Amino acid sequence: DGGITQSPKYLFRKEGQNVTLSCEQNLNHDAMYWYRQDPGQGLRLIYYSQIVNDFQKGDIAEGYSVSREKKESFPLTVTSAQKNPTAFYLCASSRDRFEAFFGQGTRLTVV
Amino acid sequence: AQKVTQAQTEISVVEKEDVTLDCVYETRDTTYYLFWYKQPPSGELVFLIRRNSFDEQNEISGRYSWNFQKSTSSFNFTITASQVVDSAVYFCALYGGATNKLIFGTGTLLAVQP
Repeated sequence: DGGITQSPKYLFRKEGQNVTLSCEQNLNHDAMYWYRQDPGQGLRLIYYSQIVNDFQKGDIAEGYSVSREKKESFPLTVTSAQKNPTAFYLCASSRDRFEAFFGQGTRLTVV
Repeated sequence: AQKVTQAQTEISVVEKEDVTLDCVYETRDTTYYLFWYKQPPSGELVFLIRRNSFDEQNEISGRYSWNFQKSTSSFNFTITASQVVDSAVYFCALYGGATNKLIFGTGTLLAVQP
């Protein structure tokens, strides 16, 4: 089945650790996005990529990093520089300016 | 700069009532696209509709309808005869043709009481 897969579903991070969230799509979409969702704040754009080997910062990129080495994959690393990483993270992909398809999300908690 | 505003944080209605969710956007792009998504408790976003900036026709799909007005930069969503299954968070989103960014509003939590 075509779709977008995020893993893991739940992730726990210790203070000072870097963690990487996986996002894979088999829809042959060029564009991919990472969003962070906090209660009452909607979806805020972290990073986005329109093409392989290229990506741009979104509105809240500080403390995060990404790579786009393959069309299918857009992993997000939450670094120790991100002071408040506990949130729900959503990955999406789209074909140019058409509707985005979303994964099921990863809930990250700092312990 | 691009911005999407959903001023209604929470709305509560009784089943069978009609409800309108407001969305106001800002963009300098002449070509842009507007979207509505539904997020049920499971968390995954479900696409509802896409509208481009050159098409101001209103659209109806079953109990759902959308009113796009460029003059007021609004793209409102109406659910007719609401049902409990409509309870969810609804997001309005904007894609700018020049910026290639897809940004979302803060969402409106709709609770439909039986």
